[in-house]
Amino acid sequence: DVKVTQSSRYLVKRTGEKVFLECVQDMDHENMFWYRQDPGLGLRLIYFSYDVKMKEKGDIPEGYSVSREKKERFSLILESASTNQTSMYLCASSLLRGTSGGTDTQYFGPGTRLTVL
Amino acid sequence: DAKTTQPNSMESNEEEPVHLPCNHSTISGTDYIHWYRQLPSQGPEYVIHGLTSNVNNRMASLAIAEDRKSSTLILHRATLRDAAVYYCILRPTGANNLFFGTGTRLTVIP
Repeated sequence: DVKVTQSSRYLVKRTGEKVFLECVQDMDHENMFWYRQDPGLGLRLIYFSYDVKMKEKGDIPEGYSVSREKKERFSLILESASTNQTSMYLCASSLLRGTSGGTDTQYFGPGTRLTVL
Repeated sequence: DAKTTQPNSMESNEEEPVHLPCNHSTISGTDYIHWYRQLPSQGPEYVIHGLTSNVNNRMASLAIAEDRKSSTLILHRATLRDAAVYYCILRPTGANNLFFGTGTRLTVIP
């Protein structure tokens, strides 16, 4: 089974701190994704990566950056955390690049609930 | 992003079949229909997907209308572990990401 792990289940940070959320997948997947989930808004895509050192903005990239130095690891960075970034953050991975069709399955980690005070 | 419409919530009795509807009237010919579910305190998990024909797997069945403007996820015998939020998603060919709406919260009554 594919396993996607996230570095923390719960995280509390202060406004202005730099925050790193780490995600690791063990199935040699090409694509990795970061979403945030808020009540009433569903999941929204922040960034995704289809290869090492490659990244593309999702729907809500403002205030975030990402890093993918190794294929199995995708990091989400909050350069200066703010209270409106309090949310559940979900990482996902999938095997195929998007051009391979609409059949690709995404595998999600358990999520990190981040609270910014 | 192609949009889907689902009821906010549904209830089912344990061990009875559940039919979760989804409307997607603006679906295009190359959009796949995906279903994911999210159990409490977990990330979403894949359930099933299809293009035109009905599909079955060990988790569920997917019934797709002939005009493809709607689909139904069928859980043949609901268990308490099926209580989750179910998301119906259209996945265009070539799309990298999934667009999640707010889904249907399924409550299973013992």
